[in-house]
Amino acid sequence: VQLVESGGGLVQPGGSLRLSCEASGLTFSSSWMNWVRQAPGKGLEWVANIYSDGSEKHYVDSVKGRFTISRDNAKNSLYLQMNSLRAEDTAVYYCARDRDIMLMDVWYDAFDIWGQGTMVTVSS
Amino acid sequence: AIQMTQSPSSLSASVGDRVTITCRASQAIRNELGWYQQKPGKAPKLVIYAASSLQGGVPSRFSGSGSGTDFTLTISGLQPEDFATYYCLQDYNYPRTFGQGTKVEIK
Repeated sequence: VQLVESGGGLVQPGGSLRLSCEASGLTFSSSWMNWVRQAPGKGLEWVANIYSDGSEKHYVDSVKGRFTISRDNAKNSLYLQMNSLRAEDTAVYYCARDRDIMLMDVWYDAFDIWGQGTMVTVSS
Repeated sequence: AIQMTQSPSSLSASVGDRVTITCRASQAIRNELGWYQQKPGKAPKLVIYAASSLQGGVPSRFSGSGSGTDFTLTISGLQPEDFATYYCLQDYNYPRTFGQGTKVEIK
């Protein structure tokens, strides 16, 4: 059971990058999936998530209109297209599976599987 | 966005100590909160979900409580492998928001 991110690297401000997260050993096509980032020496920041069939997506305000989350269930893959990148987007980006647990008619997030992270550096 | 405030930001404790970390939400979030442990250079690990439900495989010395705006994570009998940074995360609404983290260090 694992998630493996790729696609990180060094990009100039204003540039674009596409991150990928490949899943294996888990029921990818039935899971909400998330991107979470961590700037160097800082805390965790939730970035975006996507419903199992791709029909629902949510973003943190700071990336709306610049980042797009998507998935390909046939390839067990999650993506994050990042455009108009800024220095403040520099971070390790993690993908995380949400086990989405129901207890007494309420759905709860439970990010139980995480990738190892991929570093994105935005700098000239 | 809901703001999550953890306290303290860091603490020093000894093996065997009882440790309590607090997370306060800027508005009521029922019990829609999780706790995550992160060690340096590693991905976070789920500890608690739904404020008080222990994730499978996590030792029973970890416990969570709270509802509304105030939540706690307690480690009863700190072990060497528990030294890490802990984050709360609200899943009541969007955007999801983390607390700033609490670093648990060895005294």
